[in-house]
Amino acid sequence: NAGVTQTPKFQVLKTGQSMTLQCAQDMNHNSMYWYRQDPGMGLRLIYYSASEGTTDKGEVPNGYNVSRLNKREFSLRLESAAPSQTSVYFCASSEPLEKLFFGSGTQLSVL
Amino acid sequence: DQQVKQNSPSLSVQEGRISILNCDYTNSMFDYFLWYKKYPAEGPTFLISISSIKDKNEDGRFTVFLNKSAKHLSLHIVPSQPGDSAVYFCAAKGTDSSYKLIFGSGTRLLVRP
Repeated sequence: NAGVTQTPKFQVLKTGQSMTLQCAQDMNHNSMYWYRQDPGMGLRLIYYSASEGTTDKGEVPNGYNVSRLNKREFSLRLESAAPSQTSVYFCASSEPLEKLFFGSGTQLSVL
Repeated sequence: DQQVKQNSPSLSVQEGRISILNCDYTNSMFDYFLWYKKYPAEGPTFLISISSIKDKNEDGRFTVFLNKSAKHLSLHIVPSQPGDSAVYFCAAKGTDSSYKLIFGSGTRLLVRP
């Protein structure tokens, strides 16, 4: 009954450090997504993977990289964290044209 | 420029009354609209959706109305309950890319007992 699982739940980084946010889904969905949520901005799409083996840029991809490791897992990497990347990050999955199922989020602070 | 706009950051309603949350969009290529509900420290959860070929969709206490000519949709909650207190996001999907869901900035609803 897990759905979409994100790790870690909280993270504090110093400017310039790198880290990877992990996401896994157990619903056998083909599509996976990474969003960030900022006050007054709603949810903005960073990257998405329409199906295993493909990834595409969303609205705000700069400063991020992604890997669709297999059908279940989709990771988001910050190579050199910046304070502007302080945000809440959500992973989601879906079948194409269907509603998204979200994880519970990762709160990231970059000092 | 935001393609999906929720101009009211917050709304306060008495329990039992109607809550109306509004959403405007600018992209005429959008053909499918969704509402998500988010509680603190949780991810958004799907609430209700509507296709552009319809002007109304109902699910229990929740009804979404779509006015294509005005590029406007609204979510009605009747009757409102304290458990409905949450942030509500409007989202839209376009014919040009079925994978990209564009979200509004959200409206925080408080239902007062």
